[in-house]
Parts: sequence; structure tokens; C-alpha cells
Amino acid sequence: GAGVSQSPSNKVTEKGKDVELRCDPISGHTALYWYRQRLGQGLEFLIYFQGNSAPDKSGLPSDRFSAERTGESVSTLTIQRTQQEDSAVYLCASSTQGPYEQYFGPGTRLTVT
Amino acid sequence: AQRVTQPEKLLSVFKGAPVELKCNYSYSGSPELFWYVQYSRQRLQLLLRHISRESIKGFTADLNKGETSFHLKKPFAQEEDSAMYYCALKRTDKLIFGTGTRLQVFP
Repeated sequence: GAGVSQSPSNKVTEKGKDVELRCDPISGHTALYWYRQRLGQGLEFLIYFQGNSAPDKSGLPSDRFSAERTGESVSTLTIQRTQQEDSAVYLCASSTQGPYEQYFGPGTRLTVT
Repeated sequence: AQRVTQPEKLLSVFKGAPVELKCNYSYSGSPELFWYVQYSRQRLQLLLRHISRESIKGFTADLNKGETSFHLKKPFAQEEDSAMYYCALKRTDKLIFGTGTRLQVFP
């Protein structure tokens, strides 16, 4: 079946612009996660959705970052007024319950110039 | 604070040699640990979890609470094992990942 998909695969934007990243989880997966991976670093947790509620958004680095999810479907991560330090690969993952086995998408590579 | 440490950024071995990728954690409680792997041009995927006590692709990992470690081992490395390996710790509803170790297996 179809795995987790993310779009766009690559995004280059100018500093100060807003960007929106999209994640389509595996159908039926109730849990959805966003991570950020900066060059040479590990995966940094951003936010977790259970259904369309976000019980844990503790990883969002600033109020420029927000995310929403429609039902148990698509999620969008929005970064406002992008900064160069936002350049990273943004990964989305989904799972049926809890974080036991997360299925990852291919990621969106964001470059802020 | 809960933390996962992978001290080696790169581990290079020859085919047939034993491999041990180190992972140490800090967690006040009963930990649940995982190894994820990312092969070249593929997605990050689960390799194994400690509660399953399974061997996947010849890899095993034993939780050592005394040493707070969860090292990944394989007795005879293969070229197809070359990949990035991430150790992860379950914390409530999310995973805390280490910085990863790149394993290179030379022919």
C-alpha cells in the first residue's frame, strides 16, 4: 500500500517568507509526528498529533512554527517569516498507535536563502 | 533529562568483521528502546525494538540497564549493512533520537 508522502520534496525560499509543508500519513494511522533534521544532527521532535489534536507540541522551536491536522488525515507544518536556521529536512511519520513503529515519509528539504 | 547518545558519527569496517554501534541513554524509569536504519536513498525505517528481543538481518541489541546502553551488534558485517543507524528512546508519546552513526562496510 501507499506509504507516508510529503510535499514538496524540495523547497527553496527567501528569508522572511512563509512556507507550508504537507504530510499525507498512511490511511488509518491515528498518530502523526513531525521532526526536523539539521545537517549533521539527529532527528529533533517538533509535534505529535493523535487524531486532529496535538497533545504534545513541546518541540516547536518558536511561535513562527505551527501545525494542524485534518481529522486523521493530512497535516501541514507552517513556518512563518523563515530564517536561515530553519534550513533542514523536515520529516513526517505516522503510526497506528503510539510511537512503537513509526513509518517515515521521504522528507521535505527546506533551504532558506 | 531524557537523552540518547551515539558517540560515533562514523564506523568503518571490512566485510565479515564484527560490528558494534554504541547507544547510551539517560532515562528515569523503565526505558523502551529502538534502532532505526536509513539505507541510501531510502526512508528511515524501524530495524528492531528491545521488547521484541528479536534478531533482524543478523543484528541484535541487548538492553543493559546497569550501563544504560543499547548497543547494536552483528557478528559478520555485510556490504549491504552500510547505512545510517539511529538509536531511539520512547518518552511518553514520542521518540527521542540520537544523532546517528554512519556504518560503512568495505568489501
